[in-house]
Amino acid sequence: QVQLQESGPGLVKPSETLSLTCTVFGYTISSGHYWGWIRQPPGQGLEWIGSLHHSGATAYNPSLTSRVTVSVDTSKNHFSLKLNSVTAADTAVYYCARLYYSAGRCYYFDYWGQGTLVTVSS
Amino acid sequence: EIVMTQSPATLSVSPGERATLSCRASQIFSSSYLAWYQQKPGQAPRLLIYDASSRATGIPDRFGGSGSGTDFTLTISRLEPEDFAVYYCQQYNDWPLTFGGGTKVEIK
Repeated sequence: QVQLQESGPGLVKPSETLSLTCTVFGYTISSGHYWGWIRQPPGQGLEWIGSLHHSGATAYNPSLTSRVTVSVDTSKNHFSLKLNSVTAADTAVYYCARLYYSAGRCYYFDYWGQGTLVTVSS
Repeated sequence: EIVMTQSPATLSVSPGERATLSCRASQIFSSSYLAWYQQKPGQAPRLLIYDASSRATGIPDRFGGSGSGTDFTLTISRLEPEDFAVYYCQQYNDWPLTFGGGTKVEIK
């Protein structure tokens, strides 16, 4: 059974960098598929942030691309998110998820972490 | 960017009744690249439907998806108490991946 677990600080100061890690259990990241981050501000809907493949290929939401970096460490079977210059608008539950990939195309998110709330406040 | 619009925002339904949720895309899809998710309070979204009409593993057959082009529908044939939740559609026809704003299915 594939499981994902987010970890990282729950509180980040404005203008600083939000850093989260997602550890994958039950599946080896380098075996395939893309891996991604989605966020959900309190009481609001879902927003895709960015995704990556173990090969290094990445895709980002254009609304966040100037501030976001996603990376992978296959030796630790985890991938990471960095979002810099954060403001209160970045306060959200951040989810990591597996993005199903086949035949050269990305599809849907089939496995999700439980999510972690990150609050941006001084 | 493909904008996904879900309606209604809230749907009040009695247990045992049928619920029909709509998701409309701002551009025509080249194929049925649409997924539906269910989210309960305090939980992560759960994949229900992919490719517009295929049920994910372990999803009961009372959940059905249909549609093509720009208009898609999620139908819950007989609402069970555990089905009251928020439902999101998501397109993977093109980057960036986008979600609809959600439909909350509440007890009438």
